[in-house]
Amino acid sequence: DSGVTQTPKHLITATGQRVTLRCSPRSGDLSVYWYQQSLDQGLQFLIQYYNGEERAKGNILERFSAQQFPDLHSELNLSSLELGDSALYFCASSRPTGGGNGYTFGSGTRLTVV
Amino acid sequence: AQSVTQLGSHVSVSEGALVLLRCNYSSSVPPYLFWYVQYPNQGLQLLLKYTTGATLVKGINGFEAEFKKSETSFHLTKPSAHMSDAAEYFCAVSVGAQKLVFGQGTRLTINP
Repeated sequence: DSGVTQTPKHLITATGQRVTLRCSPRSGDLSVYWYQQSLDQGLQFLIQYYNGEERAKGNILERFSAQQFPDLHSELNLSSLELGDSALYFCASSRPTGGGNGYTFGSGTRLTVV
Repeated sequence: AQSVTQLGSHVSVSEGALVLLRCNYSSSVPPYLFWYVQYPNQGLQLLLKYTTGATLVKGINGFEAEFKKSETSFHLTKPSAHMSDAAEYFCAVSVGAQKLVFGQGTRLTINP
């Protein structure tokens, strides 16, 4: 157990639908990062939150949004889903002092859009 | 901006042979460097990291990597491959508290 919890582990939904992925960071970590892993794009950074504030944005589609709550858990919302959104979505967290302390990943949510 | 290039999307070695997975990075400032391993249907597990100090970094499962600034490389090695090492390996770079940037990954196959 890495200490980063992602739910659900698997999600199957239809095109056009909306889903929410949840991430609880490791205790003491203030930063949360979301990544998408697909066969053709590899591991792509989506977005980072630090203590409730958006810190950095990557290749995140406008149909996707995220937030980090006061208890530091984060949610990634994916809407108007397309077949191409099928992927493994990872959450990672890190210590306040920065990347030198490493990034801890959750086990991921596998999203299948049918 | 930082970037990572992993040379070879697939590497195959015999059990007991040397494992060498290559990683080159690009960064305008001193980077943090990482190797992660991903077993089938699992998440990413940290193998080792370089932040500052000693350039030869030892990690879990007998792996080590050497940071060579002059070559902008951070190659991963293991003296003797084991069947359980078969997995996908990712090299990654970050600067400060910024996001991790990953390479495309190298799939390691171990032949009996």
